Amino acid sequence: DAGVIQSPRHEVTEMGQEVTLRCKPISGHDYLFWYRQTMMRGLELLIYFNNNVPIDDSGMPEDRFSAKMPNASFSTLKIQPSEPRDSAVYFCASRAAGGNTEAFFGQGTRLTVV
Amino acid sequence: QQQVKQSPQSLIVQKGGISIINCAYENTAFDYFPWYQQFPGKGPALLIAIRPDVSEKKEGRFTISFNKSAKQFSLHIMDSQPGDSATYFCAASTGGTYKYIFGTGTRLKVLA
Repeated sequence: DAGVIQSPRHEVTEMGQEVTLRCKPISGHDYLFWYRQTMMRGLELLIYFNNNVPIDDSGMPEDRFSAKMPNASFSTLKIQPSEPRDSAVYFCASRAAGGNTEAFFGQGTRLTVV
Repeated sequence: QQQVKQSPQSLIVQKGGISIINCAYENTAFDYFPWYQQFPGKGPALLIAIRPDVSEKKEGRFTISFNKSAKQFSLHIMDSQPGDSATYFCAASTGGTYKYIFGTGTRLKVLA
């Protein structure tokens, strides 16, 4: 397996524009997580899915953020409209079910909103 | 209660020295404590993990010490090497929720 795949690796956009980040989890993993990493706040959990269903979105900062998982092999995180304070590295991770399994992270998407 | 507090924020160690990173938690429902290592431009990767029914786990030069009564756990890197220079995150989770709560990270630099 190629691991968790995220795209794009880098995104630069202007304030007010819509941004869509993409993630392909490891095949067979039942759980998918979206994290945001900043220097100030470290790794923050935004939302996670179990079998394509959102379980906990309490970390989503505001209504400008939305996430979907239309099938087991694809998820998106959308920011609309984007703001400079959204600039961060966004990670997608996936885990298998069955106890305390390892979470595998993608390479991340570095988002810069100017 | 969901927080995991990590210290120090940054650490500089001489080659061959011992690196120690500490974490503390409040939620007694946490039952899995992994440490992740992150190199620049990469995603975090699992380094070592422990469950609260053991007080210590060792894998090569990396050791987790766990103090259940104090609700603290720490990562020790023995004989630290320049290749260990990275950011280290502690985390905690409960089997029921599957989500990790991460500490704020420690940036380790090992001098050659």
